[in-house]
Amino acid sequence: DGGITQSPKYLFRKEGQNVTLSCEQNLNHDAMYWYRQDPGQGLRLIYYSQIVNDFQKGDIAEGYSVSREKKESFPLTVTSAQKNPTAFYLCASSLRESGSNEQFFGPGTRLTVL
Amino acid sequence: AQKVTQAQTEISVVEKEDVTLDCVYETRDTTYYLFWYKQPPSGELVFLIRRNSFDEQNEISGRYSWNFQKSTSSFNFTITASQVVDSAVYFCALSESAYSSASKIIFGSGTRLSIRP
Repeated sequence: DGGITQSPKYLFRKEGQNVTLSCEQNLNHDAMYWYRQDPGQGLRLIYYSQIVNDFQKGDIAEGYSVSREKKESFPLTVTSAQKNPTAFYLCASSLRESGSNEQFFGPGTRLTVL
Repeated sequence: AQKVTQAQTEISVVEKEDVTLDCVYETRDTTYYLFWYKQPPSGELVFLIRRNSFDEQNEISGRYSWNFQKSTSSFNFTITASQVVDSAVYFCALSESAYSSASKIIFGSGTRLSIRP
């Protein structure tokens, strides 16, 4: 079945450690996105990518990094520079980076910093 | 700047009641897209509907209906004869024109809907 997978579902990290969240899609979508969701709040865009080897910062990119070496994969690294990383992280993809296309979402990764 | 406001933080109704979720948006664009997503307790967002700014026809899909009014910049969502399975957080979202090279989706803060048996 086509879709977006994110792993792991739950992730615990000690303060000061970097951690990488995985996002894979087999929908043949060009564009991919990372969002952060805090309790009781909407989604905020961290990074997005329109094409392989290209990505742009979203609204809250500080303390995060991404790569897009393959069309199917868009991993997100939460670095130790991110001051408040505990949150729910959602990955999404769309046919192209365009306002006309709906984004399809993965199941999310819940990150907790201990 | 673009903005989406969902003033209702939480709504609780008894099963079989009708319920309307409000969404008000702000944009300077003449061409834009509006979306509704559902987030069940599992966490994954599920796409419900997309509407472009030139199409003000209301849409009905089963028990779901959407009322788009450009004059009031609103895109409200109504569930008729609500069911317990409708319990979720619902997000309204706005995106710029397809011609923008940096179009992104702006999400509202969501409305948590609880349907009581």
